[in-house]
Amino acid sequence: EAQVTQNPRYLITVTGKKLTVTCSQNMNHEYMSWYRQDPGLGLRQIYYSMNVEVTDKGDVPEGYKVSRKEKRNFPLILESPSPNQTSLYFCASRARGGRQETQYFGPGTRLLVL
Amino acid sequence: AQSVTQLDSHVSVSEGTPVLLRCNYSSSYSPSLFWYVQHPNKGLQLLLKYTSAATLVKGINGFEAEFKKSETSFHLTKPSAHMSDAAEYFCVVSPNSGGSNYKLTFGKGTLLTVNP
Repeated sequence: EAQVTQNPRYLITVTGKKLTVTCSQNMNHEYMSWYRQDPGLGLRQIYYSMNVEVTDKGDVPEGYKVSRKEKRNFPLILESPSPNQTSLYFCASRARGGRQETQYFGPGTRLLVL
Repeated sequence: AQSVTQLDSHVSVSEGTPVLLRCNYSSSYSPSLFWYVQHPNKGLQLLLKYTSAATLVKGINGFEAEFKKSETSFHLTKPSAHMSDAAEYFCVVSPNSGGSNYKLTFGKGTLLTVNP
C-alpha cells in the first residue's frame, strides 16, 4: 500500500530535550516536506526537500532541522524544543511530475513540549 | 506569491441539505487547486483537485468544485450532506511554475458541522 508513515504519532517532552520525528514514504517520491498545523492558522511549511541531499527552508523553519540522506526518509529534528513548538506535524511527499501530481500526507505527529 | 482565503471558518448544515464551502485564491501562476478533508484526529485526505483540465471537478464522497478564473474562486459543494461529512476542510493552492518548491499554501480551514 502506498503510504507516508510518521513516528511517533504522539510525543510529550520537556523543553530542551532533543527529539526526532521520522518520516518515510514507499512511493519513490523525489519531493518531501514538513508542515505544522496550529488552530486557526491552517498548515504551514517548515522545510522541504526536492531530492536526496537537497533541502531548503519553508515558511517557519526556526528551531527545526532536517536531513535527506535517503530518498524514502525525511526526519524532522528539534535540537532544543520549546513550548511554542507544541503542534501537530505532518510529513508529505509527491512525485516530481507536473501539475497533476498530488501531495500525500502522513497521519500526523502530535507533539507537546512542556 | 499565492494565498488562499476560506470565507467561512464554520459552516453548519442539516443532514440531507446542500453543502457550500467557499474558497478564493490568488496566485502569480496558473495554479493547481485542491480540497483536503481532515476528520477528527485523522490525517489529511485529498477530496479533489483542479489541474486546468475541466473546470468542474468531481471528487470522492459526492463532492465537487468549480474553478472560476474570473472570480478567482474554487468553492466546494455537495448536494446532500451526510453525518459522516462532519470534518474540517482545507482549500489549498499549489504553483505550477517549473522548479518551484511545490509548496502547498493552505487556507485556515472550514469546520463543517452536520446536524441530524
